[in-house]
Amino acid sequence: LAKTTQPISMDSYEGQEVNITCSHNNIATNDYITWYQQFPSQGPRFIIQGYKTKVTNEVASLFIPADRKSSTLSLPRVSLSDTAVYYCLVGDIGNTGFQKLVFGTGTRLLVSP
Amino acid sequence: NAGVTQTPKFQVLKTGQSMTLQCAQDMNHEYMSWYRQDPGMGLRLIHYSVGAGITDQGEVPNGYNVSRSTTEDFPLRLLSAAPSQTSVYFCASLSDRLHEAFFGQGTRLTVV
Repeated sequence: LAKTTQPISMDSYEGQEVNITCSHNNIATNDYITWYQQFPSQGPRFIIQGYKTKVTNEVASLFIPADRKSSTLSLPRVSLSDTAVYYCLVGDIGNTGFQKLVFGTGTRLLVSP
Repeated sequence: NAGVTQTPKFQVLKTGQSMTLQCAQDMNHEYMSWYRQDPGMGLRLIHYSVGAGITDQGEVPNGYNVSRSTTEDFPLRLLSAAPSQTSVYFCASLSDRLHEAFFGQGTRLTVV
């Protein structure tokens, strides 16, 4: 089981770029790295997923170094509405081949004016 | 497109009572799972299913039962509610092609 480690909390200001790093030293060959966002009183929402190098979508970028032992979620020019908890997940391939999603405690991002 | 639907949204139980939390998805996903989230904490996996008729335990399965008779539905049963089961419960289904999970809006359960 690949365990992840993230900072418990981060603070930022509107308009800044925020980078949240996740460590996953025991990542397995078939594992994907996925990030979710959760607002209060809501279920988590998928943000981005990658296997190696860099992935970018309309919301964020995900940077994964060659050894894949860590990954960095980058949120460009954050706004107040980006205040949320961000979870890093590393895919746990079960016996059937499906991923068993295990969430850690996440990183609580607070964006201030 | 409803996605993942959970009912009820809120529930208060007395200690020792039993109840079933309902979860339904309309995306034809094989994988479904149940999580609980205590205040200020992350999500903990209770049970999951990789298809109709197949279920398995997650991190915190004690006190909960599940079954999967259809692809669409994955109910979670509390056998004898305890105050320690006071939490917000989330159901999720996973697109195996995209490895993206879709979550319901949650059920806030209080056991008194």
